[in-house]
Amino acid sequence: NAGVTQTPKFQVLKTGQSMTLQCAQDMNHEYMSWYRQDPGMGLRLIHYSVGAGITDQGEVPNGYNVSRSTTEDFPLRLLSAAPSQTSVYFCASSYSDNSYEQYFGPGTRLTVT
Amino acid sequence: AQSVTQPDIHITVSEGASLELRCNYSYGATPYLFWYVQSPGQGLQLLLKYFSGDTLVQGIKGFEAEFKRSQSSFNLRKPSVHWSDAAEYFCAVVNTNAGKSTFGDGTTLTVKP
Repeated sequence: NAGVTQTPKFQVLKTGQSMTLQCAQDMNHEYMSWYRQDPGMGLRLIHYSVGAGITDQGEVPNGYNVSRSTTEDFPLRLLSAAPSQTSVYFCASSYSDNSYEQYFGPGTRLTVT
Repeated sequence: AQSVTQPDIHITVSEGASLELRCNYSYGATPYLFWYVQSPGQGLQLLLKYFSGDTLVQGIKGFEAEFKRSQSSFNLRKPSVHWSDAAEYFCAVVNTNAGKSTFGDGTTLTVKP
């Protein structure tokens, strides 16, 4: 199993550009989440999904969109990038078996200039 | 709302010394608690978890944690630290109604030779 994969690893955007961060998992996990990690602020939940076709907002959803058309994929879209979105983004997945253990991808480091 | 506090932003210990990282949580019901470790440039990896039962739980890499309901704490310990333990450590609590995790801000561990 590849586990949770994220692409790209690094990205530089100009203010106002849009892009999609890709996340895929091959473990048949129902739950998937997107977090951003900023220095001294831990991980903050952006959006999450409890299954294909179901998504909900987390703590910091503004400026981001998600959709979940398949169990495997959970892309994160930045509609109009802003410098405040410079961060490291992590995707995570877990089973819905009440264990709640999350498996994390390696992260995408995004810089918005 | 649930929350997690890790009071120590940065801890330095000598190799071979014992370690305790503090975690305090706020949650209205019986908590599901986790410790994750993040090595530089990597995603997070689960160290251990507590759901119920024995309040002292064992994890990977020789770590253990003790759940104390009266103190709302879930402190991580290791009797003898190795240089490879240098990393950032995150405590997390899960809202079992929604399946969402809340992370602390993290503690960075430096190990002196």
